Amino acid sequence: DGGITQSPKYLFRKEGQNVTLSCEQNLNHDAMYWYRQDPGQGLRLIYYSQIVNDFQKGDIAEGYSVSREKKESFPLTVTSAQKNPTAFYLCASSITSTTNYGYTFGSGTRLTVV
Amino acid sequence: DAKTTQPTSMDCAEGRAANLPCNHSTISGNEYVYWYRQIHSQGPQYIIHGLKNNETNEMASLIITEDRKSSTLILPHATLRDTAVYYCIVRPPGSGGGADGLTFGKGTHLIIQP
Repeated sequence: DGGITQSPKYLFRKEGQNVTLSCEQNLNHDAMYWYRQDPGQGLRLIYYSQIVNDFQKGDIAEGYSVSREKKESFPLTVTSAQKNPTAFYLCASSITSTTNYGYTFGSGTRLTVV
Repeated sequence: DAKTTQPTSMDCAEGRAANLPCNHSTISGNEYVYWYRQIHSQGPQYIIHGLKNNETNEMASLIITEDRKSSTLILPHATLRDTAVYYCIVRPPGSGGGADGLTFGKGTHLIIQP
């Protein structure tokens, strides 16, 4: 079955450590996105990528980094510069960067800083 | 972009139709209405979208008023698994999910009662 796989589902990090969240899709989608969701809030865009080897900052990119070396993969690194990293992180993809519908989301990674 | 207004929460009895309203009084002529939903601790799921005609698919129906200032998402026979946060998004086609693209606000928390 096609879809998006995020791993791990739960992640604990000590303060001052970098951590990388995995996102893999086998939908042959060009565009991929990372969102952050805090309790009781909507989703905020961190980074997005329209095509391989290209990515753009979203609304809250500070303290995060990404790469897009392969079409299928869009890993997100939460760096020690991110002041409040505890949140629910969602990866998504769409067939192109211009579509508004048919987004496919992963099941999310819940990151907790301890 | 047109701003949307949705009730914070709604209840509906299992087996009944759930009608979720959305106000978008400043919608532009080329903007579509999109609906997504997010079940707890999962990623959002695309439901339906429309421009001005009523739309129906296997998940739901979308009714858009003639003046396009509001719309209603209808789940015809709600089940407990329909309990989720429902997001109404208004966007022009081809705008995609980039920096100023798809944004998910707080939505309506629909609770299906047994």
